Amino acid sequence: QVHLVESGGGVVQPGGSLRLSCAASGFGFSGHGMHWARQGPGTGLEWVAYISWGAKATEFGASVRGRFSISRDDSTNTVFLQMDSLRVEDTAVYFCVKEFSTGWTLDFWGQGTQVTVSS
Amino acid sequence: DVVLTQSPLSSPVILGQPASISCRSSQSLVHSDGNTYLSWLHQRPGQPPRLLIYQISRRFSGVPDRFSGSGAGTDFTLKISRVEPEDVGTFYCTQGTRFPWTFGQGTKVEIK
Repeated sequence: QVHLVESGGGVVQPGGSLRLSCAASGFGFSGHGMHWARQGPGTGLEWVAYISWGAKATEFGASVRGRFSISRDDSTNTVFLQMDSLRVEDTAVYFCVKEFSTGWTLDFWGQGTQVTVSS
Repeated sequence: DVVLTQSPLSSPVILGQPASISCRSSQSLVHSDGNTYLSWLHQRPGQPPRLLIYQISRRFSGVPDRFSGSGAGTDFTLKISRVEPEDVGTFYCTQGTRFPWTFGQGTKVEIK
C-alpha cells in the first residue's frame, strides 16, 4: 500500500533553513504529481507546493513563494521541500501528499513532520 | 485565489442521524478539461487527513457509502446519511482546479 514518510523537521531560528524529505513507496512514484501541505498549531490546512511528474512544473502558495523550493528524485522515490528564510508563521506540521492518478486531487497523506521556527 | 467557505464550522450531531456540510467557492471550480476538482477530506484528531470524495461525488476507495457528495459550479455539499462514532473530527473541502490549491476552514463534527 501507499506509504509516505516525511523527515527533516525540527526547531530552527527565524531566517534559518530546513530541508524536508518524503520517502514514497507502494505506488508508481515517477508517474504522480506530489505536493506539500501544512497545518499550523490548532489551525486548518494550507497548501504549500506542487511538483509535477517529471518535474516539469512547480507551483507554490503565495506565503512561501520565493522562499521555498520543491524537487524530486525519481531514482529514490523521494520528494524534497527546501525551506529558506523561515519565519515564525511557518511553524506547522508539514505533510507530504500524493496526487491521485486522475490528477488534481490529493489522495494519500503522510503522517507529517513538525517544523518549529522560534528564537 | 479561490476562497472556499464551509458551513457550519461546528456541527454537534446525534449518532445514527444525518449530517450535512456546505462548501461554497468564490469562483467556478470547473476545470478547462471539463471536470470539477472539488474533494472532501476527513481528519481525525492527531491523524493526517484522508480523502473521502473526489470530483464532487466520487467516493474514494474504501469509503463507506454513508458518505455522499453533490453540487456543481460553486456550491457543494457533503452528506453523511447516518453519523457513526468514527466520523468525529474535522471535514475539509478542497479544490485542485486552480493554483494555488485551497482548503475550506474546516467543519468540526462532534457527537451531541
